[in-house]
Amino acid sequence: GAVVSQHPSRVICKSGTSVKIECRSLDFQATTMFWYRQFPKQSLMLMATSNEGSKATYEQGVEKDKFLINHASLTLSTLTVTSAHPEDSSFYICSVQDSYEQYFGPGTRLTVT
Amino acid sequence: GNSVTQMEGPVTLSEEAFLTINCTYTATGYPSLFWYVQYPGEGLQLLLKATKADDKGSNKGFEATYRKETTSFHLEKGSVQVSDSAVYFCALRKAGWYGNKLVFGAGTILRVKS
Repeated sequence: GAVVSQHPSRVICKSGTSVKIECRSLDFQATTMFWYRQFPKQSLMLMATSNEGSKATYEQGVEKDKFLINHASLTLSTLTVTSAHPEDSSFYICSVQDSYEQYFGPGTRLTVT
Repeated sequence: GNSVTQMEGPVTLSEEAFLTINCTYTATGYPSLFWYVQYPGEGLQLLLKATKADDKGSNKGFEATYRKETTSFHLEKGSVQVSDSAVYFCALRKAGWYGNKLVFGAGTILRVKS
């Protein structure tokens, strides 16, 4: 299966600043990537579907202007949390999809102080 | 809509005990079913899957059978180990316009004591 990395693994930022999270598909060209958010002791919530070369598709209730997604190449998608607030603190996980499976990255722990 | 319901945890077992984590689903048509495992501080790993009724997925001693008549996909293992301690997620997938979205259950924490 595909190998997916995320960077950084942990990040702490101050309220009001922006932070970028990278998701890389190391051995597979991914036209579709997904971004999830996981709250403590809860399930994964799909935030958006990232499509290479086109705009991301956001799930209902997810602010697209706050969570900017860019999928500029077949191996890289980025999620930028703009003007972060403490309530944005969470575990963010990306996945890539081949013809059948989704493969998940190790996640990024964001803490906004 | 599509949804997945898992038994609430945490589930605490002694080493070598038998494990069952219940999972039921609601979906139209014929979804594919998955179990994912998440170890502390890590992302999700696919544990096993089944794509049609009566299929049995298996991996690392874990098994689950796709039961359409009961809309269930219960996870079982005959003898758990301490290293199996993790969070287990049941999920389903139906083909959609924007790729094949996964719908996850709430997750079940498993703790295995030596």
